[in-house]
Amino acid sequence: DTEVTQTPKHLVMGMTNKKSLKCEQHMGHRAMYWYKQKAKKPPELMFVYSYEKLSINESVPSRFSPECPNSSLLNLHLHALQPEDSALYLCASSQEGVAGHHYEQYFGPGTRLTVT
Amino acid sequence: QKEVEQNSGPLSVPEGAIASLNCTYSDRVSQSFFWYRQYSGKSPELIMSIYSNGDKEDGRFTAQLNKASQYVSLLIRDSQPSDSATYLCAVKTTSGTYKYIFGTGTRLKVLA
Repeated sequence: DTEVTQTPKHLVMGMTNKKSLKCEQHMGHRAMYWYKQKAKKPPELMFVYSYEKLSINESVPSRFSPECPNSSLLNLHLHALQPEDSALYLCASSQEGVAGHHYEQYFGPGTRLTVT
Repeated sequence: QKEVEQNSGPLSVPEGAIASLNCTYSDRVSQSFFWYRQYSGKSPELIMSIYSNGDKEDGRFTAQLNKASQYVSLLIRDSQPSDSATYLCAVKTTSGTYKYIFGTGTRLKVLA
């Protein structure tokens, strides 16, 4: 099973709202990712968690706050977003990156976020 | 120079033909290569991975890797209208950075 689940599928929020995106995987993967994707663009990496610790933050604005409560769950907390933050937010997971090994990355279905 | 380059297309092929999608990368230490298919409004779906020089076949899909020339390609045989999608090439080093570098994608249109 290579399933990554994300909730909600769609989210509309105002610029003063606080909301959270959720992601879950049960493949035993120890690396989890948040990507942002705009129309006709490739996924853009935001954050990487490895063994539940933040490994990469690609200079993402603080209005996006990631959280990894355990090895299966990944959250993205949203606060005071801007209309330009409207996008498809993708969660992904992969096995731990041991040097010399190859690991496939699997995406969830995404959350379509609209900021009004 | 972009790290992973793909022709944005659209690449139009008739139904039943072979579609050939290409990708070049700049980092010589890249070790893992992936092809994702993405339908409009959906998330990327992993369809092929390749790690060694040569060909790897899976059903109608064949991935080809040439590390010396730094390119990876995807062939789709007997193309079907349902193959119409954007195909993303992704490249990863095994340096432990966890970064998968994506190309901009090639849009494929299979004409019935």
